[in-house]
Formats: sequence, structure tokens, C-alpha cells
Amino acid sequence: GQQVMQIPQYQHVQEGEDFTTYCNSSTTLSNIQWYKQRPGGHPVFLIQLVKSGEVKKQKRLTFQFGEAKKNSSLHITATQTTDVGTYFCAGRGNTPLVFGKGTRLSVIA
Amino acid sequence: NAGVTQTPKFRVLKTGQSMTLLCAQDMNHEYMYWYRQDPGMGLRLIHYSVGEGTTAKGEVPDGYNVSRLKKQNFLLGLESAAPSQTSVYFCASSYYWSDTQYFGPGTRLTVL
Repeated sequence: GQQVMQIPQYQHVQEGEDFTTYCNSSTTLSNIQWYKQRPGGHPVFLIQLVKSGEVKKQKRLTFQFGEAKKNSSLHITATQTTDVGTYFCAGRGNTPLVFGKGTRLSVIA
Repeated sequence: NAGVTQTPKFRVLKTGQSMTLLCAQDMNHEYMYWYRQDPGMGLRLIHYSVGEGTTAKGEVPDGYNVSRLKKQNFLLGLESAAPSQTSVYFCASSYYWSDTQYFGPGTRLTVL
């Protein structure tokens, strides 16, 4: 079945450093979504990418969808303590959304 | 507008006991989902529904049953709980198949 791999599993950064998480699918995706889950909370939708090579920005967050629609990345510029949490990618091919295992981000002030 | 709500928030069961988790949404969404979240495993889909009266199996359906008798509600049942079902359970809903999923606050279940 469809698999979505996400790396790294954990990332510890100093406040102000950049952060990137990568997502790779075993199959071509029709779209990819990104979610953030704060500690003790529930996943919250961040963004959806649909087009090949698409790049979207939300303030300090930059999302990319690969040309082959099999990979994606989330980059955070100049992390802040409010960025702490787990970031999940979720890809959809011909199946319901398949979530990656997430990248847990810790930010040291 | 409460969004997606789940009851209960916490529950402790003994092995072999049964229980039902309730998910309710007030957004008139067609699609509803049950996930479980375990440390290091991300979110795994248990069952989902594409409309009132329909259900389908997800990635990890064994040991669970579901029902969607009303559009706004999606119930997840454990007939005979096992320690392996200790997890955090999230319900989610979406309007379209490929649309944003809105998650409930979760139910933390411990099976002793």
C-alpha cells in the first residue's frame, strides 16, 4: 500500500535557526497536506499542495511539492518557541490520506 | 460552532471490557475518520465513512467497529479491549474527499 516517509523523526534547534522536514511517498500523490500538532493537542491543518513543483509560503513557513509529486518539504526560517510541535505531512493518491510519522521540533530559547 | 467534539476525553478499561467512543461534528461534513496515534507511529487510519450509513476499513481496523447512523456522528466501538489498543484516538471530518481534515481534541484510552 501507499507509504509516506518523513524525516527526520526529531529535530532540536536553537531559537533563530532554520528547520526543514522532508516527506517522501512510495507512489505519486494527487495532493499533499501539512499539519501541525502542538504538545498535548490535536493536528491542525496548515496547507495543501496540489500542483507539481508548487511552492507556498505562510510567513516564515515555506512548503514545496516536488516535480514528480512524490515528495514535499516544509522549511521554517528563524524558528521561534511558538513553532514547537510535531509536523505531519499527509499524502493522498487513490486512498484516504496517509500520514507520515511526523517530525517533532524542539526549539531551545 | 463547536467543530469536532469527542467523548470521553479519557478512559481506563480493563482487558476484555467494551466501550464506544463518540465523535460529533457540526460542519455538515460528508467524510469522517477515526485515527489512532501511538508514539513514533504517526496517525493511522482505523475506519472512515464517506457519508451517512457508510463505513470502510482503514489501515488498522482489526478489533474495532464503527457506525454512522447520523451524518453528524461517527461511533468507534471496541468490543473486547486489549492492552495493544492503548492509544490516543482522534476523530476527524472533511467536506470533500481531498479536503482539509478537522480533528477533534482526542480521547486518551488506557487498557490495563
